[in-house]
Amino acid sequence: AQKITQTQPGMFVQEKEAVTLDCTYDTSDPSYGLFWYKQPSSGEMIFLIYQGSYDQQNATEGRYSLNFQKARKSANLVISASQLGDSAMYFCAMREVSYSGAGSYQLTFGKGTKLSVIP
Amino acid sequence: DVKVTQSSRYLVKRTGEKVFLECVQDMDHENMFWYRQDPGLGLRLIYFSYDVKMKEKGDIPEGYSVSREKKERFSLILESASTNQTSMYLCASSLEARNRYEQYFGPGTRLTVT
Repeated sequence: AQKITQTQPGMFVQEKEAVTLDCTYDTSDPSYGLFWYKQPSSGEMIFLIYQGSYDQQNATEGRYSLNFQKARKSANLVISASQLGDSAMYFCAMREVSYSGAGSYQLTFGKGTKLSVIP
Repeated sequence: DVKVTQSSRYLVKRTGEKVFLECVQDMDHENMFWYRQDPGLGLRLIYFSYDVKMKEKGDIPEGYSVSREKKERFSLILESASTNQTSMYLCASSLEARNRYEQYFGPGTRLTVT
């Protein structure tokens, strides 16, 4: 079973509007971290936001916020006031912390969502 | 700001050649990683290192080896390049001391093996 699922291969949003990118995850580890990355066409993966499994509040970083619903195992990224520069691939990722050895270092990525911002 | 650099943005090699991809980070991070990214398959971990001279296999280590002789440098080696190793290669590093441990990526190397 996939550990990270991003069900939206592509999305369009009007400039200045908000958009939600979906991410669901699957883990039995009580301690884990969730991450969102942005990959523009240039190729570099840019870290956007982090949510820990024990964090009580949803993470926010500027125009990015993470809608964390632990019981539903979802970690959706919300981008407010979309800009043309937000057009990119967006990846959700997870790290399971409790496992010992090699597995505890690894980030597992979803397949990504391609966001296109329309002027 | 964390800076992760990779030796080449684009590389073209012939089948059977030995290929070295270099990655350098300037933030004294303990952990370094090599991924490959292919359309429809996402990012897959090849190898990672949590300390100098230490390495661990990721999900797809076959056909690759790595070297970490200094903390800031992590090299990916394709012993005998094959066409199925044509891909985008991404290096990343992370700090283990904090609880967040997010990975910071380099700009990527797009490798073509002909």
